[in-house]
Amino acid sequence: GAVVSQHPSRVICKSGTSVKIECRSLDFQATTMFWYRQFPKQSLMLMATSNEGSKATYEQGVEKDKFLINHASLTLSTLTVTSAHPEDSSFYICSVSVREREQYFGPGTRLTVT
Amino acid sequence: QKEVEQDPGPLSVPEGAIVSLNCTYSNSAFQYFMWYRQYSRKGPELLMYTYSSGNKEDGRFTAQVDKSSKYISLFIRDSQPSDSATYLCATGAGGTSYGKLTFGQGTILTVHP
Repeated sequence: GAVVSQHPSRVICKSGTSVKIECRSLDFQATTMFWYRQFPKQSLMLMATSNEGSKATYEQGVEKDKFLINHASLTLSTLTVTSAHPEDSSFYICSVSVREREQYFGPGTRLTVT
Repeated sequence: QKEVEQDPGPLSVPEGAIVSLNCTYSNSAFQYFMWYRQYSRKGPELLMYTYSSGNKEDGRFTAQVDKSSKYISLFIRDSQPSDSATYLCATGAGGTSYGKLTFGQGTILTVHP
């Protein structure tokens, strides 16, 4: 498998500010990473596919100007939530695709916007 | 209709019981199937994956896929309190949908001593 870390594990920010979440693949060079969000007692919803060295691909309904994704290296992808709003409060999880059929997830970041 | 349907439970069983978790899917393009376990406030952990109809066994876990009826199952034998978690089924279509997974809602399982 792959070991994936996320930082921070939880963050609280004020409305209108921006917050950056890092996703690192510790033992695998990941050309593709995925970002999900999960609301309480709900399943994971894919937000975007992050490709190393190119623009991310966003799922329908996800605002690309609000959720900025940068995949600058084979081990790091970042998600920046811009102009955060309380409705952005959620659990954000990244994953690394080792083989098409195997994805390994990070521990998640809990974002609370006040 | 959701592409992947999963009974959210909650499901409560005594220690040592056999647990059966199930999902149905509607998209015939789905080619591979996974089960993840998620503890509270943690990321999902890959338990099993399979891409063909039939059974796949790994220790106390057995994954079963029936593509003809679009039905996938996970069986847990000799369940333990440490198995208490949310179990998520997931499927993927491959091809142009490389790596994209569609998840079920998750079933909350509690195994009590």
